[in-house]
Amino acid sequence: AQSVTQPDIHITVSEGASLELRCNYSYGATPYLFWYVQSPGQGLQLLLKYFSGDTLVQGIKGFEAEFKRSQSSFNLRKPSVHWSDAAEYFCAVGGVQGAQKLVFGQGTRLTINP
Amino acid sequence: NAGVTQTPKFQVLKTGQSMTLQCAQDMNHEYMSWYRQDPGMGLRLIHYSVGAGITDQGEVPNGYNVSRSTTEDFPLRLLSAAPSQTSVYFCASGTPGSSYNEQFFGPGTRLTVL
Repeated sequence: AQSVTQPDIHITVSEGASLELRCNYSYGATPYLFWYVQSPGQGLQLLLKYFSGDTLVQGIKGFEAEFKRSQSSFNLRKPSVHWSDAAEYFCAVGGVQGAQKLVFGQGTRLTINP
Repeated sequence: NAGVTQTPKFQVLKTGQSMTLQCAQDMNHEYMSWYRQDPGMGLRLIHYSVGAGITDQGEVPNGYNVSRSTTEDFPLRLLSAAPSQTSVYFCASGTPGSSYNEQFFGPGTRLTVL
């Protein structure tokens, strides 16, 4: 069965510090991987996605993620966080025939210290 | 384009009442899905549709009905509301294909069942 695990429920970092959010997935075929961000009271915005090719993917707002097949991971990174990055982040996995059936992780809430 | 729209934004129901959450998209997307978001559980798929007239169950379909008579609309019906259905509901739409295998989310409907 497909599953996504985000081991960190809540992370706090200082503004300007680097960030890495972890995501591990279980999927029986070639995965389509996504990171979404949700600001309080808002919907979900796509940060980046991976289908194939270069395993380091660039997204919006200065985020990037690296796909590591051997570790079944798709960790999200940002070199220097801004106070506006405070939000909840979701990792999700889908398949070629399952684009409409995403499986989400539990989410990681990011707090930024000034 | 308005993207994915959902109405209402907020709703309070009493146990046993029925209601329909509306979802519409103007991007001519084939796929549409309904998710519910609960604290600590990420988003879970309720029902999805791969085209007009075609629907299927997701991970948590009990207590919900859907139909897809047009490409644009995908309403979610609660037949007899229960407190366990208190949640935030998100509608999403997307188009299959290797480059466009992503979903666009609506702003959500926050439902409280008393």
